[in-house]
Amino acid sequence: DAEITQSPRHKITETGRQVTLACHQTWNHNNMFWYRQDLGHGLRLIHYSYGVQDTNKGEVSDGYSVSRSNTEDLPLTLESAASSQTSVYFCASSEAGGPYNEQFFGPGTRLTVL
Amino acid sequence: DQQVKQNSPSLSVQEGRISILNCDYTNSMFDYFLWYKKYPAEGPTFLISISSIKDKNEDGRFTVFLNKSAKHLSLHIVPSQPGDSAVYFCAAGSLRYGGSQGNLIFGKGTKLSVKP
Repeated sequence: DAEITQSPRHKITETGRQVTLACHQTWNHNNMFWYRQDLGHGLRLIHYSYGVQDTNKGEVSDGYSVSRSNTEDLPLTLESAASSQTSVYFCASSEAGGPYNEQFFGPGTRLTVL
Repeated sequence: DQQVKQNSPSLSVQEGRISILNCDYTNSMFDYFLWYKKYPAEGPTFLISISSIKDKNEDGRFTVFLNKSAKHLSLHIVPSQPGDSAVYFCAAGSLRYGGSQGNLIFGKGTKLSVKP
């Protein structure tokens, strides 16, 4: 069965360290998204990609970067982790063609920055 | 400024009764709306959607109503079951909004508790 996975599921790091969160989908979807979920804020879009070599900034992109070298993967990098980036991160994917196509979410990565 | 608002952070309902979750939006360019359900320690999962050309969409116990003039939608769950206890997110999207093709704007979520 097709799926979307995230790793690690839990991560503790220190302020200033570089951290990369992995996202891998086997749906062969063109669109991939990274969100963060925080209490009182819901799901906020960090970065998104509509295909290989395409990346775009979302609502809360400062301090984050992504790269898309193949269809299956969209790793999220925190260049220099800050305590404000402590959050739960969700990756999602969907077929191309607009918001009418359901976004499938991964199980999430809980990141703690000390 | 929040474009998709879920003003009730939580809702408690007795098993068997109706649950009504509300969502308001401000951007008239939104033309597609979705509800996602999220259990603790899991990712959100799609529940039901509605296009702006409709005012109602039904799927089993779940019905979504859209009032475009009021920029308001609601999710009705009848009858509510304890397994429905979760956080529900309202989301909106549009092909016309900012040129994006698949992006969704999410509300903050409403935590539903269904008591046995």
